[in-house]
Amino acid sequence: DQQVKQNSPSLSVQEGRISILNCDYTNSMFDYFLWYKKYPAEGPTFLISISSIKDKNEDGRFTVFLNKSAKHLSLHIVPSQPGDSAVYFCAASLTGGADGLTFGKGTHLIIQP
Amino acid sequence: NAGVTQTPKFQVLKTGQSMTLQCAQDMNHNSMYWYRQDPGMGLRLIYYSASEGTTDKGEVPNGYNVSRLNKREFSLRLESAAPSQTSVYFCASAGSVNTGELFFGEGSRLTVL
Repeated sequence: DQQVKQNSPSLSVQEGRISILNCDYTNSMFDYFLWYKKYPAEGPTFLISISSIKDKNEDGRFTVFLNKSAKHLSLHIVPSQPGDSAVYFCAASLTGGADGLTFGKGTHLIIQP
Repeated sequence: NAGVTQTPKFQVLKTGQSMTLQCAQDMNHNSMYWYRQDPGMGLRLIYYSASEGTTDKGEVPNGYNVSRLNKREFSLRLESAAPSQTSVYFCASAGSVNTGELFFGEGSRLTVL
C-alpha cells in the first residue's frame, strides 16, 4: 500500500516556463513533507519542506503548496532552468519520528532548451 | 566536510556470496538509515538506527542485517546475496527527527549475478 504517490513518472517542460510536480498521500498522520532532488549517480539532496501547519513555503524559485484536505502537495519551479533536470522525490514524515521518510516513486523532470 | 560516506561504490557478487556495505557520517547525527532504490520503486527503507545501540526494521528488511558500530558508523550486511538484491543502496543520517530531513551518501551500486 503506497502511502506517498507521484503519479507522473516523467514531465517535460520548456526552459523558462513553470514546472509543477504533484504528490498525493494517504496517511493523514503525516505532518511534515519534503522534496528531494536527485541527479544520476548521486544521492538525493534536500530541496524544500513544509510543515502541515502551513499551506505554502517558498525558497527562491521553488515553492511547495500543501492542501491537507485533499492530501495533496505540489512543487512549483519558476522559471525552470536546464540544471533543474533531475528526478524529484516527494517524501513524508511524522514529526518526532526517527523511522525515516516515506518516499514516492519519483518524477523525472526534463527541461527542454 | 565529507558528510555521509559509503563504501564500496560498486560491487558485483555471485548468488550466495556475502558482503558488507559500510557507511560513516561526520555530522554527529543520532539517526542513520539504509535505503534501496530500484527502477520505478522509489526509495524504500531497509533498516534504521535511531541512536547508537538500537536498530529497527524498515519496509524491506528481509535478507539484510545491520550493525550500528558507534555513533558514526552503520553497516549493512547481505549474508547470502540473491539477484533480487541487485539495487542501488543509499545510507543516510538525520540530525533532527523533528523534521525528518535526511542527508544521503552517494550510493552503492550492487549487482548480484
